[in-house]
Amino acid sequence: GAVVSQHPSWVICKSGTSVKIECRSLDFQATTMFWYRQFPKQSLMLMATSNEGSKATYEQGVEKDKFLINHASLTLSTLTVTSAHPEDSSFYICSARDHLATDTQYFGPGTRLTVL
Amino acid sequence: EDKVVQSPLSLVVHEGDTVTLNCSYEVTNFRSLLWYKQEKKAPTFLFMLTSSGIEKKSGRLSSILDKKELFSILNITATQTGDSAIYLCAVASPGGYQKVTFGTGTKLQVIP
Repeated sequence: GAVVSQHPSWVICKSGTSVKIECRSLDFQATTMFWYRQFPKQSLMLMATSNEGSKATYEQGVEKDKFLINHASLTLSTLTVTSAHPEDSSFYICSARDHLATDTQYFGPGTRLTVL
Repeated sequence: EDKVVQSPLSLVVHEGDTVTLNCSYEVTNFRSLLWYKQEKKAPTFLFMLTSSGIEKKSGRLSSILDKKELFSILNITATQTGDSAIYLCAVASPGGYQKVTFGTGTKLQVIP
């Protein structure tokens, strides 16, 4: 089956620093990747949709200058949390849609971000 | 605004029981409905449903979609402790970015 990896799995950083999270589709090409945020005991919240080679589309209420998304290739998207603050601490999950498939999204394992 | 509602929110059953999880939706444009299982980390894909009345089955899990009544159910028979997880329902809408709307999830706990 389709495999999506995320790196790192877990990161702790100081307030004010920036953190980059990578999302890779390992055995398929993903023209579209999605970034989600999940708070404890809550469902996934879509933050943004990124398409290879174009600007990301952000959901309402998500600051595009705070959460920078780059989808430079068909297998890699990155999310950079700039000037992180403790309220940015969360579980960030990416998913990728196989450009040959329909709507199925394959999820990465997630990245646990803790900002001190 | 597109909406996906799952019920119940939480469920505790004994091993061997059969459970039915519900998902209803209101979306402007429907393309498909997806079920995911989320344990400790990210969700894993279970089923994608596009047509009404056609049951999808995988082992002890099965799912069916009713596009007229706008709902889907996920059945798990002979539950095992390994079925304990959050089950997420999502609806995909057509469009340039194929938006997917997730429900809040049903937390299932199977006790021995």
